[in-house]
Amino acid sequence: KQEVTQIPAALSVPEGENLVLNCSFTDSAIYNLQWFRQDPGKGLTSLLLIQSSQREQTSGRLNASLDKSSGRSTLYIAASQPGDSATYLCAGNSGSARQLTFGSGTQLTVLP
Amino acid sequence: GAVVSQHPSWVICKSGTSVKIECRSLDFQATTMFWYRQFPKQSLMLMATSNEGSKATYEQGVEKDKFLINHASLTLSTLTVTSAHPEDSSFYICSARDLRAGPGTGELFFGEGSRLTVL
Repeated sequence: KQEVTQIPAALSVPEGENLVLNCSFTDSAIYNLQWFRQDPGKGLTSLLLIQSSQREQTSGRLNASLDKSSGRSTLYIAASQPGDSATYLCAGNSGSARQLTFGSGTQLTVLP
Repeated sequence: GAVVSQHPSWVICKSGTSVKIECRSLDFQATTMFWYRQFPKQSLMLMATSNEGSKATYEQGVEKDKFLINHASLTLSTLTVTSAHPEDSSFYICSARDLRAGPGTGELFFGEGSRLTVL
């Protein structure tokens, strides 16, 4: 059974810093990995999707990498802004029904 | 991206009543939809996989008679919380994948979630 872990659980940085969020998964037989953002009391916003055949995806200031052999993914946020403050969730797509298994999330606070 | 709509976005009900939550894919068809539950300050936990035209598949520990799932069409899945109790209060989120994307490769799109409060 797929297990997804995210470190750190919480992170606070000053505005402008570059930062890395980490995600690890136990089953390397994933189809893809998604990174999401969740604001308090809200649903999920999909940030990046990395297919199993890819190593990274970029969107604006965000870059996500995937290393299936080591069971790791990272989300890199460049030049962080207060508006980036949210909980970031990674999820691995695996299993017979291709369901997503979520990590516990990293709560990011970017201080102005 | 594709749009998944959930209704209602929030609901308050009395203990013992039943509540139905709808999940619709607005601009694509989905043979499979997923229902998640999220308690405060916790991550999303998969409750069940909803399959169009057949029975849902429930995760271990999720009571199928309490959480009734119906996936009657390629664009609609419903979750009914029967005889709701305060411990069922949670944030329920559905997701769906465009069936044209093929199994396992397509992005999952999420609804905005439905917050249930049982008094």
